[in-house]
Amino acid sequence: AQSVSQHNHHVILSEAASLELGCNYSYGGTVNLFWYVQYPGQHLQLLLKYFSGDPLVKGIKGFEAEFIKSKFSFNLRKPSVQWSDTAEYFCAVNAGDDMRFGAGTRLTVKP
Amino acid sequence: DAGVIQSPRHEVTEMGQEVTLRCKPISGHDYLFWYRQTMMRGLELLIYFNNNVPIDDSGMPEDRFSAKMPNASFSTLKIQPSEPRDSAVYFCASSSPGQGAHTEAFFGQGTRLTVV
Repeated sequence: AQSVSQHNHHVILSEAASLELGCNYSYGGTVNLFWYVQYPGQHLQLLLKYFSGDPLVKGIKGFEAEFIKSKFSFNLRKPSVQWSDTAEYFCAVNAGDDMRFGAGTRLTVKP
Repeated sequence: DAGVIQSPRHEVTEMGQEVTLRCKPISGHDYLFWYRQTMMRGLELLIYFNNNVPIDDSGMPEDRFSAKMPNASFSTLKIQPSEPRDSAVYFCASSSPGQGAHTEAFFGQGTRLTVV
């Protein structure tokens, strides 16, 4: 089965700083890629997804992610974070039937 | 649709007791996933079903864990006997393929299990 790696376990930023969270996956075939966000005490919600086409995907709340096939990466970015972005972020890969998630990256934004 | 519904939201039980977690997927979704979330391991896929049939249970930690999906609208995850290390948040999610791929997994609110 494919695996998903998120290298940053905990990221701490000040408001207005730029964000980039790394995500790499191991599967070599066609994949569908997702970023989910989990706000404190809540369930996971979809931020954005990539199936095909433009490798730069824009999601909700100013987030975007870039699919780089040669690097097996799907990094999440946001130019200017807000305190309300404090949450845990999960990268997910779908290939075939299942959906595998990375371990998550906890983002803390200091006001 | 009310989304994926899990019950109970919180469960506290004593070591050795049987625990049953319940999930109602979104109507029409034919994939159902059970995940476990802990600080140490993050979000782990335990098992998933397609059309009520278990497809991959390689993530189930040991024989104490079992999952069933008797029909399209209900699934259970059972732990017997429970142990303190089973304490975690258990999420159920459902999805439906579109164009041959999963469009999105919709998650329930989770069950926070504490085994003392």
